[in-house]
Amino acid sequence: QKEVEQNSGPLSVPEGAIASLNCTYSDRGSQSFFWYRQYSGKSPELIMSIYSNGDKEDGRFTAQLNKASQYVSLLIRDSQPSDSATYLCAVNMRETSYDKVIFGPGTSLSVIP
Amino acid sequence: SQTIHQWPATLVQPVGSPLSLECTVEGTSNPNLYWYRQAAGRGLQLLFYSVGIGQISSEVPQNLSASRPQDRQFILSSKKLLLSDSGFYLCASWGGSEKLFFGSGTQLSVL
Repeated sequence: QKEVEQNSGPLSVPEGAIASLNCTYSDRGSQSFFWYRQYSGKSPELIMSIYSNGDKEDGRFTAQLNKASQYVSLLIRDSQPSDSATYLCAVNMRETSYDKVIFGPGTSLSVIP
Repeated sequence: SQTIHQWPATLVQPVGSPLSLECTVEGTSNPNLYWYRQAAGRGLQLLFYSVGIGQISSEVPQNLSASRPQDRQFILSSKKLLLSDSGFYLCASWGGSEKLFFGSGTQLSVL
């Protein structure tokens, strides 16, 4: 069973702090990794994708990938109350004929003003 | 960029009634299409995927079925709904951008 695991949370951080979200995956052959943000009652929104080992920065967001450790993380700098949401880690565990994207259970983040 | 249309946004159905949810995609051709379900407070569970017209694969055995009558149309159906079918149903498309994008979802309540 190919799986994606995340810290269940909830994670609470004060406004302006760094929020750190972690994810591990079971399929060593996976090549593409994503972070989605989901507000309550809404569909997931893609915020970051990462394909190579190392860091990838986009504004206040930094994704980190370590394929040897099968570990992906998301850092949110200068956290804002509007960042309060559930963050979903997703991994493309590509099958022979299609891209099979599996999601973790999500981590709930609350940014306290 | 691609756009994924899903309707209805909310649906309340009695146990034993049929279901039909439709999803259409614009802005991409020959996408891989997916149906996910999210139970309350849970993660996304992959239900079905399709790599082309008439090609459907099921990830989990259940009370639901899917069809793809046209390249950009994906339909989720049930003949008789169960209480356990309640959830947030999401259609998703994997196109040329090598990323997965979602429609706005349908919140289904089976009573």
